[in-house]
Amino acid sequence: DAKTTQPNSMESNEEEPVHLPCNHSTISGTDYIHWYRQLPSQGPEYVIHGLTSNVNNRMASLAIAEDRKSSTLILHRATLRDAAVYYCILRVLNNDMRFGAGTRLTVKP
Amino acid sequence: SAVISQKPSRDICQRGTSLTIQCQVDSQVTMMFWYRQQPGQSLTLIATANQGSEATYESGFVIDKFPISRPNLTFSTLTVSNMSPEDSSIYLCSVEGDRGPYGYTFGSGTRLTVV
Repeated sequence: DAKTTQPNSMESNEEEPVHLPCNHSTISGTDYIHWYRQLPSQGPEYVIHGLTSNVNNRMASLAIAEDRKSSTLILHRATLRDAAVYYCILRVLNNDMRFGAGTRLTVKP
Repeated sequence: SAVISQKPSRDICQRGTSLTIQCQVDSQVTMMFWYRQQPGQSLTLIATANQGSEATYESGFVIDKFPISRPNLTFSTLTVSNMSPEDSSIYLCSVEGDRGPYGYTFGSGTRLTVV
């Protein structure tokens, strides 16, 4: 399986944008880039996914590099409720979901 | 998206005993997945459970230790057998959500402590 590399932790101030990076230099052409987050004492929840083009939804934006070897999850205005572990996952369609270590995001008031 | 009910939410068990964790989904799903999350760690896939067939286990997990049932398209159980303190973890079930293969929904997990 292609692997992802994320910083162990990041900090942000409340109401400021947050850019969470993910490197996936061994990504293959059929790998989708998924982002999940895990709030304290909860199961992971879906955030966003993409293949080649940048994606936006109500939770976040996903910026994918042109060579697809890296991506960035963008939270436009961090809130205290966004404090979580964020996982960047590569997944081939119809295959299972495998998690890396993730990035622990701390949001300061 | 699918709603998952996982029971029990937590339990404290004696070593050498077994615990069965239930996962109920509010819609029919083809594949269900069981994960383990050890303290302070990320999630590790234990097995994939398809209705009507034997579960497929990942490397390091065996059926004798983690037997799985999948009697229908909305329900699955995971048993943690002959428990030791090293089995203390959060166990989570997951299904593909209504985003199809693009999104998974996770249960809130079962926090297991073995003493």
